[in-house]
Amino acid sequence: EPEVTQTPSHQVTQMGQEVILRCVPISNHLYFYWYRQILGQKVEFLVSFYNNEISEKSEIFDDQFSVERPDGSNFTLKIRSTKLEDSAMYFCASRDRGSYTFGSGTRLTVV
Amino acid sequence: TQLLEQSPQFLSIQEGENLTVYCNSSSVFSSLQWYRQEPGEGPVLLVTVVTGGEVKKLKRLTFQFGDARKDSSLHITAAQPGDTGLYLCAGAGTSGTYKYIFGTGTRLKVLA
Repeated sequence: EPEVTQTPSHQVTQMGQEVILRCVPISNHLYFYWYRQILGQKVEFLVSFYNNEISEKSEIFDDQFSVERPDGSNFTLKIRSTKLEDSAMYFCASRDRGSYTFGSGTRLTVV
Repeated sequence: TQLLEQSPQFLSIQEGENLTVYCNSSSVFSSLQWYRQEPGEGPVLLVTVVTGGEVKKLKRLTFQFGDARKDSSLHITAAQPGDTGLYLCAGAGTSGTYKYIFGTGTRLKVLA
């Protein structure tokens, strides 16, 4: 069963530091997404990415966030200057037709 | 803003009982998915429904998409302890990007 792989599984960072969350989507998928889930809250859409550009982003995805597909396999989410409220599980997902697959997530803890 | 409300939020039942979880919205969705999420893991897709009125079965789980594509239900027959988990519905808007709006979740506990 093809998987979406996310690294690291857990990252602790100091407030104000930059973090990069990495994702390897399923190889033949063309649409990529980042979602986040603050502890105890629902999963929230952050951004969708297709054809090397952002296709849609939410209000949460402000200027401190950016996404990139630096090569043919990785899809990254960068948070430039982390805040305490950025602490959450971040999920990457990739899609092809009706198949929508989530990774296991990166737990980001900002201290 | 599209919102999906799930009910009930929590459900604790005995093994062998039947249950139904509801997912409601005032918005129309182009498709709706049901996921199950374990603690510390990402959501795992159970089913996608696309057509109004569509019914899909996955073993003891029956999923229905409302005729107007605004609501959905998940029915579990003869629940087992292995069904314990967080069930999420998620609707895709009509923007074409297939971003999913997630529901508030139903936490199910099946007691042996």
